[in-house]
Amino acid sequence: KQEVTQIPAALSVPEGENLVLNCSFTDSAIYNLQWFRQDPGKGLTSLLLIQSSQREQTSGRLNASLDKSSGRSTLYIAASQPGDSATYLCAVLNAGGTSYGKLTFGQGTILTVHP
Amino acid sequence: DGGITQSPKYLFRKEGQNVTLSCEQNLNHDAMYWYRQDPGQGLRLIYYSQIVNDFQKGDIAEGYSVSREKKESFPLTVTSAQKNPTAFYLCASSKGAGLAGGRETQYFGPGTRLLVL
Repeated sequence: KQEVTQIPAALSVPEGENLVLNCSFTDSAIYNLQWFRQDPGKGLTSLLLIQSSQREQTSGRLNASLDKSSGRSTLYIAASQPGDSATYLCAVLNAGGTSYGKLTFGQGTILTVHP
Repeated sequence: DGGITQSPKYLFRKEGQNVTLSCEQNLNHDAMYWYRQDPGQGLRLIYYSQIVNDFQKGDIAEGYSVSREKKESFPLTVTSAQKNPTAFYLCASSKGAGLAGGRETQYFGPGTRLLVL
């Protein structure tokens, strides 16, 4: 069964720092990996989607990489701002096993960027 | 203004009561999903529907029921059989049905927080 783990569980940084969030998954049979942002008490907003054949995706100050063979993804946030404070979730779309065609989510990283 | 709406924002359930959470989308998406989120945990799939009048159980379907009579609507009922219903419930949709649709981004509603009195 696919398991997705995110490290660290929480991160607090001063404004302006570059930071890296980590996501690992146990089964490399995936179609894609997504990073989502969730503000307190709100729904999820998709940030980046990386297909299994891709190595990275970029959007503004965000860059996500994917190493499918090692089961790892990183989300890099450049020049962090207080508005980046949120919970960041990664999820994989499974291509095999009992979770075929379904998303498996990590538990999230709570990011706080202080002025 | 296209999107997914969920209502109510907060819902209180008395013991032994069934309650229904609403999810509506005007994105013309075929596939819809219900997830449960508990503190410190990721989202877990309750039910999903790839097309009208069809739905499948997810990982934690016990104590829940759904219907899909219209393309734009996918209500979730939390029955009295669900012994620990307190959680944040999220509805999502994606463009296509089947595997092709499942490869695409899922769009999420704002969520409903269910509390037990």
